[in-house]
Amino acid sequence: GAVVSQHPSWVICKSGTSVKIECRSLDFQATTMFWYRQFPKQSLMLMATSNEGSKATYEQGVEKDKFLINHASLTLSTLTVTSAHPEDSSFYICSARGRRGGYDEQYFGPGTRLTVT
Amino acid sequence: AQSVAQPEDQVNVAEGNPLTVKCTYSVSGNPYLFWYVQYPNRGLQFLLKYITGDNLVKGSYGFEAEFNKSQTSFHLKKPSALVSDSALYFCAVRDMGASGTYKYIFGTGTRLKVLA
Repeated sequence: GAVVSQHPSWVICKSGTSVKIECRSLDFQATTMFWYRQFPKQSLMLMATSNEGSKATYEQGVEKDKFLINHASLTLSTLTVTSAHPEDSSFYICSARGRRGGYDEQYFGPGTRLTVT
Repeated sequence: AQSVAQPEDQVNVAEGNPLTVKCTYSVSGNPYLFWYVQYPNRGLQFLLKYITGDNLVKGSYGFEAEFNKSQTSFHLKKPSALVSDSALYFCAVRDMGASGTYKYIFGTGTRLKVLA
């Protein structure tokens, strides 16, 4: 079964509004969470890495004031797209890393499709 | 820097035939290599990984991959393709950073189409 969940799975918002995406590790504590962005027919691009209780580390070219990441607990990270614009429409995938079943592994969520109109 | 390359954007294969999805890598040190599959509007599903040991790695859904150090390749294979295998496949390498942290570097993906 799924070990990482994302909510919502699909969201439509109007240009200029903000939208929050949640990522949860379901049966393990995620010491690190990753946020990826995927454009149609393209690969996953890492946006940022966050450790619980610390500020996120953003990849080059990713606006940290636009993509706010909060990793407030060991099972929850949120990505808030602020003042969204149509070009922010994309598929956002989170990934959680932690110890599960005695192994340190990274698991991917099912993704959230954001459409900005 | 670590990287993986998937030279084929799309692979077509007839149902029942063997399939191969290619991946080559460039890493410093020992590679940690992965294959993931993505179905439309879904996240990534783990197929298999190579860390160390046998060069032939068996994974989910009948897939396997062969690690070839001399050719720096990690091709994904399946002896008999199913229409339901049609999806987007990503090869990835684990890029170790400082203090034991790591991140995944993904290839550009290969779309597999299995024809009935």
